Formats: sequence, C-alpha cells, structure tokens
Amino acid sequence: RKEVEQDPGPFNVPEGATVAFNCTYSNSASQSFFWYRQDCRKEPKLLMSVYSSGNEDGRFTAQLNRASQYISLLIRDSKLSDSATYLCPGESANQGGKLIFGQGTELSVKP
Amino acid sequence: DTGVSQDPRHKITKRGQNVTFRCDPISEHNRLYWYRQTLGQGPEFLTYFQNEAQLEKSRLLSDRFSAERPKGSFSTLEIQRTEQGDSAMYLCASTRSGTTGNEQFFGPGTRLTVL
Repeated sequence: RKEVEQDPGPFNVPEGATVAFNCTYSNSASQSFFWYRQDCRKEPKLLMSVYSSGNEDGRFTAQLNRASQYISLLIRDSKLSDSATYLCPGESANQGGKLIFGQGTELSVKP
Repeated sequence: DTGVSQDPRHKITKRGQNVTFRCDPISEHNRLYWYRQTLGQGPEFLTYFQNEAQLEKSRLLSDRFSAERPKGSFSTLEIQRTEQGDSAMYLCASTRSGTTGNEQFFGPGTRLTVL
C-alpha cells in the first residue's frame, strides 16, 4: 500500500460549486500534513498546513482525522483559478522531514 | 526575489552525457531537499541536506547521481551518463528546521529531457 493515496480525479465542477478531496495515509507516525496546489508544468505551492484537527483559510478548509488516517480539503465557491492538481503530502516520521506525496488530485473548474 | 531558485529551468541532453543542476534555497533555510517528478505522479524524494551535511538518500538515487551542498547554501545535483529514464522535473525545496511543521517551499524546477 502506498504511504499516501489520493483520488486522481479529474474532478470537473462548475464555478461556485463546493468540492472536497480526501487523502488517506498509512504511516500513523507522521505528525504534519500539508496541502499544495500545482499548476500544469509548475512547482507545488503551499496552500495550507494541517497540524491538529484542521485549518480554515477563506474558502479553503482542511481537516485531519488521525484515528481514520485521512485528511480532506474542502473548497467552497470554487473559482476558475482553483483549477490545478492538489497534493497532500505527509511529513516522514523520521527526523529528516522529507515529504511523502501521493499522485495528486486534478480539479477542473468550468464556467 | 527571495524564493527558491533553480538553474537551468530546462535542459535537453543526449543519452550518456553528464548534467548538473543548481538550487539556491531561501537564505535563512538550513534544510534543502531534492525531489523528482514525472508526468502524472507526485514528487518523489531523492535526498536532503541539513546545512552542508547530506543526511538521507533515497534508493531512487543510483550511483550515477550525486548531490552536494558545500557551504551549506546552494546545492548541486549531478547526473552522470544520463539515461532516457532520467527525464523528469527535478525540484528543490527548502525549509528551516525547528520551525513548526517543516513547511517546504519549492523552486520552479529543472525540466530534464534525455534524448
């Protein structure tokens, strides 16, 4: 089983819709999780950090469920500019802090 | 620009040639990571440095790959005798250890094409 698994999508949603992605992880020792967005042929950009049970930042809400080993990202009132691939790496449990990525979830917001 | 920078942004080479990439991290960041990303996949960890010390290497990093961070600032990643399977985006990220959560910031990447 991969350490981080994501639904690859694509998720095709209309502008204004609410969309949610889930990530499941297998390493229960990971302490920190993140959501990054990656535009086509660009680098990942940090969207949110998820340390405890969750975070909210404007239209974006992230939740962490350690017991069930999943994290989620909710996007409300989606915009065309939200179209991207969303990555949810976990921080490796060892001291080095390397990030373990899944394959990403593609979101396409249509007018 | 105070973000992570990488050079070159694109590299096209013939199989068997050597290539070297450079990464300049955010100036106060002591940890520097190299990742590789192929189409349709998330980034995969290659190696990381804390200051000038290389502390972990992935099994993906064959003996044709070598990385350095001689003065604890910029880093180089060299691939010797390139193969077509080395074609990928090579990403560098940096962070400051000891801060909450180890948030890593990525550079724009070097896209390598091996013909």
